[in-house]
Amino acid sequence: DQQVKQNSPSLSVQEGRISILNCDYTNSMFDYFLWYKKYPAEGPTFLISISSIKDKNEDGRFTVFLNKSAKHLSLHIVPSQPGDSAVYFCAGMDNKVAGYSTLTFGKGTMLLVSP
Amino acid sequence: NAGVMQNPRHLVRRRGQEARLRCSPMKGHSHVYWYRQLPEEGLKFMVYLQKENIIDESGMPKERFSAEFPKEGPSILRIQQVVRGDSAAYFCASSLRAGKSEQFFGPGTRLTVL
Repeated sequence: DQQVKQNSPSLSVQEGRISILNCDYTNSMFDYFLWYKKYPAEGPTFLISISSIKDKNEDGRFTVFLNKSAKHLSLHIVPSQPGDSAVYFCAGMDNKVAGYSTLTFGKGTMLLVSP
Repeated sequence: NAGVMQNPRHLVRRRGQEARLRCSPMKGHSHVYWYRQLPEEGLKFMVYLQKENIIDESGMPKERFSAEFPKEGPSILRIQQVVRGDSAAYFCASSLRAGKSEQFFGPGTRLTVL
């Protein structure tokens, strides 16, 4: 049962263009979403997050959009740079009744930005 | 301010041996999470610990796997009698708070079972 789905295993974009990474989820209990970026042989690095009460959060070149009714979120990177080439993971945060949270990750999308 | 530290970075074990993975959270963080990433998969939650307590181990296999986070020292993920299917990258994360709080990840330990 895959609660977070990233249906595109890979995406290729030219430098300067927009990169759009998509993510769908099924668990209605998720009320916070995060995007992580991961380089080979390193751990995931937090990129940007969004609360379920918002539909957009922007941080520099990165913007995350949330469509709660469609259970869909997307990460936009504008303009894309070669250094953005990495695997991007979408994660849903499940806040437990006991007061702690766990993350459920998608399988990731490998972004390649070519010069 | 050092980030989350994990060691070893690479660990090779033969079937039936024990694997011990260590994680030192970020300074000031008392919440530790372990995740496992199998090849071509996303990270999957295994266990959540606070100092000296296991809070949620719902993602951890019932047999052969155990975790601890003692009052002093790093968190340890222990895998007894390893099998080839245990080969994966194991990531530790820590957070400042238990609730809606960013989790900071370590570089991972890559376990290979021969």
